[in-house]
Amino acid sequence: DAGITQSPRHKVTETGTPVTLRCHQTENHRYMYWYRQDPGHGLRLIHYSYGVKDTDKGEVSDGYSVSRSKTEDFLLTLESATSSQTSVYFCAISESPTGSAHTIYFGEGSWLTVV
Amino acid sequence: AQSVTQLDSHVSVSEGTPVLLRCNYSSSYSPSLFWYVQHPNKGLQLLLKYTSAATLVKGINGFEAEFKKSETSFHLTKPSAHMSDAAEYFCVVSGDNDMRFGAGTRLTVKP
Repeated sequence: DAGITQSPRHKVTETGTPVTLRCHQTENHRYMYWYRQDPGHGLRLIHYSYGVKDTDKGEVSDGYSVSRSKTEDFLLTLESATSSQTSVYFCAISESPTGSAHTIYFGEGSWLTVV
Repeated sequence: AQSVTQLDSHVSVSEGTPVLLRCNYSSSYSPSLFWYVQHPNKGLQLLLKYTSAATLVKGINGFEAEFKKSETSFHLTKPSAHMSDAAEYFCVVSGDNDMRFGAGTRLTVKP
């Protein structure tokens, strides 16, 4: 298994509160991603990073921000959580950008419930 | 833009019978194609991938998939289902800095 650790794995939070999810990798891969998984939608890209302090938006970035201060850590922040952000969040890593033939590896997910 | 359509949201088979999970893709490029499996409360694990080499790709746990450009398909098959194959399966198309996931197919295996 790729060395990807997500924390917390499960969280319940109230509407309007900030939430930060952390992804830590031990593979030294340059590219890191945050996806959300919702029934009927597969996985959708929220934000990604192509290096330290280099990030860009994905398909569903509204309401989310990210930061990458070290190669191994990629943080996803919900500034003010809403019920529509209840989802399972997956961190992923790869040696090359998506759109290449390189495999993308996934963490085990973080279950977030916003009440 | 690229897209993936998994033609069945749910497939149910009996243990020991063949498995067929269907995937069609749309891409303006020569894409790479992947199948991932997700067991309950777990992350996604790579089953196999096609990267413009052999059109018949063999993966882990006895799964294989055939790339058919003329049909824009990349169906996943296994000759004999096992109880441990019960999971959700995702077809993924990748190309030109873009990666798209299908909505998933849930495979149920009956004893």
